[in-house]
Amino acid sequence: EAGVAQSPRYKIIEKRQSVAFWCNPISGHATLYWYQQILGQGPKLLIQFQNNGVVDDSQLPKDRFSAERLKGVDSTLKIQPAKLEDSAVYLCASSLARPSYYLNTEAFFGQGTRLTVV
Amino acid sequence: KNEVEQSPQNLTAQEGEFITINCSYSVGISALHWLQQHPGGGIVSLFMLSSGKKKHGRLIATINIQEKHSSLHITASHPRDSAVYICAVSPGSTDKLIFGTGTRLQVFP
Repeated sequence: EAGVAQSPRYKIIEKRQSVAFWCNPISGHATLYWYQQILGQGPKLLIQFQNNGVVDDSQLPKDRFSAERLKGVDSTLKIQPAKLEDSAVYLCASSLARPSYYLNTEAFFGQGTRLTVV
Repeated sequence: KNEVEQSPQNLTAQEGEFITINCSYSVGISALHWLQQHPGGGIVSLFMLSSGKKKHGRLIATINIQEKHSSLHITASHPRDSAVYICAVSPGSTDKLIFGTGTRLQVFP
């Protein structure tokens, strides 16, 4: 089974520039997550999609970050304009169904995109 | 205080040693996950457990729901086990994952 695909693997941009990341989840996975992981910290959820709808974007800095999941499959995460503190690894994950108290489904992670803002 | 705490933060070991990484959490959960992250950044799910113990090869994960504590053990450690090990929990009332900050393990030959 193919895993979660992300691109690019690495990106270096100057502050105030724009950048976009792409994620292709595992086929059939309804739930898709974008996480931001700053060096030395655990991942932080930015946004969660269930099919093409947003379930949780409470920690997404909406003044500069946006994400979409058209057709409920691939997803893109955009930063515009980027700041130095956006330097991090951006992880995409997917799971078969939306976990609930009674049903936990395993999340599968991509390799991540390492963003450096200079 | 973080809702998920891991210890130690850094761990070095000689090849062959028995490794234990601990995770404590302060919220009610429906499941706990152990994840492995290599320097490239990708994360691999090792275990998802809600009670008792699971074993996969040289890896063993245990959880004590009453004490809100889990351990990840690695038997006969090997340099290829060098990675960051992350504990994450699924709070009972939501489907978010709350992550610990990870334990960086280095195993030397």
